[in-house]
Amino acid sequence: DAGVTQSPTHLIKTRGQQVTLRCSPKSGHDTVSWYQQALGQGPQFIFQYYEEEERQRGNFPDRFSGHQFPNYSSELNVNALLLGDSALYLCASSFQRYGNTIYFGEGSWLTVV
Amino acid sequence: SQQGEEDPQALSIQEGENATMNCSYKTSINNLQWYRQNSGRGLVHLILIRSNEREKHSGRLRVTLDTSKKSSSLLITASRAADTASYFCATDPVYNQGGKLIFGQGTELSVKP
Repeated sequence: DAGVTQSPTHLIKTRGQQVTLRCSPKSGHDTVSWYQQALGQGPQFIFQYYEEEERQRGNFPDRFSGHQFPNYSSELNVNALLLGDSALYLCASSFQRYGNTIYFGEGSWLTVV
Repeated sequence: SQQGEEDPQALSIQEGENATMNCSYKTSINNLQWYRQNSGRGLVHLILIRSNEREKHSGRLRVTLDTSKKSSSLLITASRAADTASYFCATDPVYNQGGKLIFGQGTELSVKP
């Protein structure tokens, strides 16, 4: 049973560029959330997708957007990259939105230069 | 804003000793989840404890929850060098719609052989 899978593992982008990160949830899971983790910090919630709609959002600008596909996989898009966007981006999945164990992937390391 | 705060920020022990990490939070929660993170990697789920539970065990792990004090603790017994990692508590606050975890800064545990 595959867990949460993310791609790519590492990537380097230039300021102003755009990036797309991908996530496949754990088998049987229908809810996907994205988190940003800066070095030395705890993860920060970006947004949550359920039934292909954004259900909750954290304190992130509109440059951060996402999508959930009918097979429950998800993408995180970040436009107009800033140096401060350099971080580990974690995808998390769960069955339903409420009260269940939330599993995380290995993350995508984004470096903006 | 940070909901949870872990204490201590760093802990260094010898193999075979017990390690105790504490987590405090500010608002009522649906559940609290503990995660482990090895350097630069994703989060590994350890235990979920619901607001109506007081204690849970999983192997060498014991988690307690005191909702009156808004605090939780994670005890790792007979620690091993492989337990060296950062440990995070994450709360699922009642005021959220569910599944939006709020993380603390983590406790960095070092187990020396």
